[in-house]
Amino acid sequence: DTEVTQTPKHLVMGMTNKKSLKCEQHMGHRAMYWYKQKAKKPPELMFVYSYEKLSINESVPSRFSPECPNSSLLNLHLHALQPEDSALYLCASSQEGGIGYGYTFGSGTRLTVV
Amino acid sequence: AQSVTQLDSQVPVFEEAPVELRCNYSSSVSVYLFWYVQYPNQGLQLLLKYLSGSTLVKGINGFEAEFNKSQTSFHLRKPSVHISDTAEYFCAVSEAPGGSYIPTFGRGTSLIVHP
Repeated sequence: DTEVTQTPKHLVMGMTNKKSLKCEQHMGHRAMYWYKQKAKKPPELMFVYSYEKLSINESVPSRFSPECPNSSLLNLHLHALQPEDSALYLCASSQEGGIGYGYTFGSGTRLTVV
Repeated sequence: AQSVTQLDSQVPVFEEAPVELRCNYSSSVSVYLFWYVQYPNQGLQLLLKYLSGSTLVKGINGFEAEFNKSQTSFHLRKPSVHISDTAEYFCAVSEAPGGSYIPTFGRGTSLIVHP
């Protein structure tokens, strides 16, 4: 299995809703990442988990809450989002530290906040 | 800290023509270099990478890139493009061991292949 699977593919939520994005990989990768990507822009790093521990939080607002229940799963909990949070949310994984190996990305969740 | 410059935001080309997408980087330490492709409504896919050794790197889908240390460049090339190569291409750099392994992405180059 050489894939990163993200669900759902599309999500529309109101500003008072609570929802979660899910990411799963079975490649034995020990680093997992959440990125946010706006149209025609490069992905922006949000969070990094290394060995199931949060190692980097790029000053992301608290309305985004990551969780890594085990080495294969990564969640992103969403609450009280703003319309400007509408974007493509990408999950990625890499071997330890990602050094030299590159990322494997999922297909993303297209989030629309109304 | 490293930085990446993709000089062209958009590159139009006719089918079966050659193409070069340009990428320049800046870093005070040794780097690893990557090219990713993003098709519409998809995530990013690794095309190729340079870690060390031969400066000419071959990747998937017939793409190749050449690392030029003196010019701090890592340009992506394909001798004959297809309609299906229409996509966004991102160059990325990360510092070699000892530095930050989190890659910095360029702004992207949109390759548009016309029939």
